[in-house]
Amino acid sequence: GEDVEQSLFLSVREGDSSVINCTYTDSSSTYLYWYKQEPGAGLQLLTYIFSNMDMKQDQRLTVLLNKKDKHLSLRIADTQTGDSAIYFCAETRMDSSYKLIFGSGTRLLVRP
Amino acid sequence: EAGVTQFPSHSVIEKGQTVTLRCDPISGHDNLYWYRRVMGKEIKFLLHFVKESKQDESGMPNNRFLAERTGGTYSTLKVQPAELEDSGVYFCASSQGVGFYTFGSGTRLTVV
Repeated sequence: GEDVEQSLFLSVREGDSSVINCTYTDSSSTYLYWYKQEPGAGLQLLTYIFSNMDMKQDQRLTVLLNKKDKHLSLRIADTQTGDSAIYFCAETRMDSSYKLIFGSGTRLLVRP
Repeated sequence: EAGVTQFPSHSVIEKGQTVTLRCDPISGHDNLYWYRRVMGKEIKFLLHFVKESKQDESGMPNNRFLAERTGGTYSTLKVQPAELEDSGVYFCASSQGVGFYTFGSGTRLTVV
């Protein structure tokens, strides 16, 4: 099975809040990330959280981390049409490479 | 500061042909990573260079894939011969230290 799991699709109305969920497996991960991919573009780092934190807020973005349940969420307040994209959750694998382990991505569609 | 640059942005080749993807990392970044997203699935790690040395190539699918980073600057990823299942988006990322990675826009490879 996958190491990092996300739901595949989320549709919200413009102005509503979006919540994208992720579960991961490596309890030794130091950093957890949210990346955004817009159509035809690369991966843009949206935000990250250290594993010793429970919450991080950055403007419209709120990241919640439940380390006991290995659950990470991204809340986007006042979702705009420009937020439509694929959102990837990722954890660092604490080996020699500190490589990223990604989920399959959640496609967020914002309806006007 | 220039970001991570990948060439080409798109490539369409026939099964059995050879394709070479190129990544120019951010100047001064010793760490260079290759990742791949196949058929809408998760983004998977391929390999990691530290300068010109392969630190971790555990994600390379098979011996049809060859990555090089001569001189520790740009990197190439060659697929020879290409198969249909190699189609996907190949991402490159670079970092100076651990934890913060800058991704390129990716190369979309289609093998027909």
